Amino acid sequence: QLQLQESGPGLVKPSETLSLTCSVSGGSVSSSDYFWGWIRQPPGKGLEWIGHIYYSGHTYFSPSLKSRVSISVDTSKNRFSLNLNSVTAADTAVYYCTRIPKTTVEAKYYFDSWGQGTLVTVSS
Amino acid sequence: EIVLTQSPATLSLSPGERATLSCRASESITNYLAWYQHKPGQSPRLLIYDASNRATGIPARFSGSGSVTNFTLTISTLQPEDFAVYYCQQRSHWPWTFGQGTKMEVK
Repeated sequence: QLQLQESGPGLVKPSETLSLTCSVSGGSVSSSDYFWGWIRQPPGKGLEWIGHIYYSGHTYFSPSLKSRVSISVDTSKNRFSLNLNSVTAADTAVYYCTRIPKTTVEAKYYFDSWGQGTLVTVSS
Repeated sequence: EIVLTQSPATLSLSPGERATLSCRASESITNYLAWYQHKPGQSPRLLIYDASNRATGIPARFSGSGSVTNFTLTISTLQPEDFAVYYCQQRSHWPWTFGQGTKMEVK
């Protein structure tokens, strides 16, 4: 069974870089059948798609975050990572890593598996 | 950017009742819409994709309908575990967007 687990600092200072990693078990980030992505939820607000990556390294980002975000994949460690630079208090949120089917019939291009989420607070 | 407007913001019902949640898109998204259930302290769960297809393991009491700009999630007979926040999400146009959510609470 697929499991996704986010990890990283829970507190980041303003103007610094937020870095999170999603470790994947029960599945492979090298699979051609899936994208691997990030979504966030600020406190008391709704969900926001950040971006996702294919095993080849091809990435897709939300236009509102594109200038500050990068996503990478490490196939040797079966994980993928998010970097968001120049953070402000507005980037405080629970960050989820997700899987997105690319080639399967079911749930193609939707978020079919999610990690538990990790709260990142931006504060000095 | 496609804006998804969910209504109502809060829905107060009792177990055993029928729930009807709405999601309206600012322009046509064909049928490229999903519904997710989100309980406090848990990760969201995919319920419905492509407007009307239940995801694996989702009970039959959950159903989705609609197309173009108007979509509905129906829960035929509410169970105690169904009280949660529900989000719709479109993947028709970049960027992919979510609605603001409908909170279903116990009346």
